[in-house]
Amino acid sequence: EDKVVQSPLSLVVHEGDTVTLNCSYEVTNFRSLLWYKQEKKAPTFLFMLTSSGIEKKSGRLSSILDKKELFSILNITATQTGDSAVYLCAVDGNTGKLIFGQGTTLQVKP
Amino acid sequence: EPEVTQTPSHQVTQMGQEVILRCVPISNHLYFYWYRQILGQKVEFLVSFYNNEISEKSEIFDDQFSVERPDGSNFTLKIRSTKLEDSAMYFCASSSGTYSYEQYFGPGTRLTVT
Repeated sequence: EDKVVQSPLSLVVHEGDTVTLNCSYEVTNFRSLLWYKQEKKAPTFLFMLTSSGIEKKSGRLSSILDKKELFSILNITATQTGDSAVYLCAVDGNTGKLIFGQGTTLQVKP
Repeated sequence: EPEVTQTPSHQVTQMGQEVILRCVPISNHLYFYWYRQILGQKVEFLVSFYNNEISEKSEIFDDQFSVERPDGSNFTLKIRSTKLEDSAMYFCASSSGTYSYEQYFGPGTRLTVT
């Protein structure tokens, strides 16, 4: 059975800290891995990763994929209270169907 | 910036009633999806739709569910006879499929079945 597992499930940090969120996967077919940020409602797209070892970066957020070890990490540097959210990892198994992990709830305290 | 829109934002219905959830995907996108998220649980895939037909559906998407693209802009999810366990947030998503398979999600419809 295809699955995506995220860790930790929740995390509390203070503003300015750096956090690393983990996502591991076991899927039959793989096309891409996607990271989303979910605040109140809709998941908001952050990154899509298809190749190993190539870092994607957007401001203070960055992500990398390891297709050999079947995991990805999402880094957030200099965290702000606005980064508080649930971060979702999902894998596209080549059909468009996204398989989601359970999410990591990040709380950034002032 | 183009975005996926969904209506209504919240729908309350009685068990056994039919509901139609509406979505307007991003205009040049070709692939459309419905997902649901029961409170406190993972986001789950329901169905994907391309070229006016279902590409893939999950075990959740049984005969009570149907999807339709009635015109060039709307994409709907119908639940024929709602059950209590259908209460969830329903998300529509779309992707271009031409240059990229990134899926963009709408704000969701919260369905409450009483």
